[in-house]
Amino acid sequence: EAGVAQSPRYKIIEKRQSVAFWCNPISGHATLYWYQQILGQGPKLLIQFQNNGVVDDSQLPKDRFSAERLKGVDSTLKIQPAKLEDSAVYLCASSLDGYQPQHFGDGTRLSIL
Amino acid sequence: AQSVTQLGSHVSVSEGALVLLRCNYSSSVPPYLFWYVQYPNQGLQLLLKYTTGATLVKGINGFEAEFKKSETSFHLTKPSAHMSDAAEYFCAVSGQGSQGNLIFGKGTKLSVKP
Repeated sequence: EAGVAQSPRYKIIEKRQSVAFWCNPISGHATLYWYQQILGQGPKLLIQFQNNGVVDDSQLPKDRFSAERLKGVDSTLKIQPAKLEDSAVYLCASSLDGYQPQHFGDGTRLSIL
Repeated sequence: AQSVTQLGSHVSVSEGALVLLRCNYSSSVPPYLFWYVQYPNQGLQLLLKYTTGATLVKGINGFEAEFKKSETSFHLTKPSAHMSDAAEYFCAVSGQGSQGNLIFGKGTKLSVKP
C-alpha cells in the first residue's frame, strides 16, 4: 500500500512569511496527525483529526498555526506569520483509527531565515 | 499525565555488540509503549509495541523490548548490532486503549562502529 505522502520535502522562508504543508494519508485511514519535531527532540503532537473533525489541538499555537482536513482525506497545515522558532521538521501520520499504530510520512523540513 | 525519559542522547557500539537503549516512562494510567526508529531525512517507523499480555515484545530487525512495570521501564535490546542499525530511536507512551496521543522521548542516536 502507498504510504503517507507529504510535500514539499524542504522549505526555506524568511520570518513573518507564510507557509503551507500538505499531507495525503494512507487510503482508508480515518485518523490524521500533525507533529512538530525540533532538532534534538522527539515529535510533539500539534493536532489530531478524526475524519474531518478535530480531536485534539491543545498544543497547536492557534495565533499562527492552522490546519484543516476537508472531506476527511488530505490535510494542510499553515503557519502565518512564521517565527524563527518554527524551524523544525513537520511530520504527518495516519492510522486506521485512533486505536491503531500510526504510519508516518517523511516530513517537511522547514528553515526560517 | 504521561512522560518518557530516554537515558543517553547518543550511544555508540561496535558491530556485533549488544545494543541496549534505555527508556523509562511515567503514566497515571496503564500504558501502551512503543519504540520507533528514524533514519536520516525519513519519518518514523514502528519497531515494536507493548499493549497488553506478554511483557517481552519482539519487533522487526531483531529488536526486542521488555515491559517492567515495577521499574517503569521499556528498554530496547538487540543481541548483535549491524551497521544498518545506525539511526535515531524514540520511545513513546500512550494511554491504554489508544495508540493516538503519543508522548515521545527526546531520542537516542545509535552509532555503530565497524
